[in-house]
Amino acid sequence: KAGVTQTPRYLIKTRGQQVTLSCSPISGHRSVSWYQQTPGQGLQFLFEYFSETQRNKGNFPGRFSGRQFSNSRSEMNVSTLELGDSALYLCASTENGLNTGELFFGEGSRLTVL
Amino acid sequence: GENVEQHPSTLSVQEGDSAVIKCTYSDSASNYFPWYKQELGKGPQLIIDIRSNVGEKKDQRIAVTLNKTAKHFSLHITETQPEDSAVYFCAASASGGSYIPTFGRGTSLIVHP
Repeated sequence: KAGVTQTPRYLIKTRGQQVTLSCSPISGHRSVSWYQQTPGQGLQFLFEYFSETQRNKGNFPGRFSGRQFSNSRSEMNVSTLELGDSALYLCASTENGLNTGELFFGEGSRLTVL
Repeated sequence: GENVEQHPSTLSVQEGDSAVIKCTYSDSASNYFPWYKQELGKGPQLIIDIRSNVGEKKDQRIAVTLNKTAKHFSLHITETQPEDSAVYFCAASASGGSYIPTFGRGTSLIVHP
């Protein structure tokens, strides 16, 4: 079984631009959650999508949004980028949601904002 | 909300030694405590987890202990090997919080051959 795939792996943007990141979960997994990883704040939960619906949301501004498609693939979007948005963005999938235990993470998309 | 503190931030040991990483949590409703290992350039991978109805769990060289009264849990790695070098994250989540995980800030474990 293929693992969680995230694209792109690396990207560089400038302040004010927007970015879209993609996550393909493990086949059969319906839950996709997103996390921001920075040296200062560690891993922080952004949101979770299950069957195309946002089920949980973390404490991030509205500039961070996401969606999930019928094939469970998910995208997250960050608008009006700020320098502080530079981070590794990780997605994780599970079969039925966060309550099932193990999160299967992708390798992340490293975003640099200049 | 939940707050998870993790110590130490860096741990350096000699091959064959034991390593212990400790986490404390604030929300007494938390009932699921996983540990993830993140190697350079990779995403975190679950290495062991424990639920609040169990005090200890072991898997070969790795063990986790949980003290619900004190609200802390620890990861124990025995007979460390160079391939154990990585960043380790603890996390806590609760059914009342929709199982949204709160992570510790990570421990960089360095095992010297």
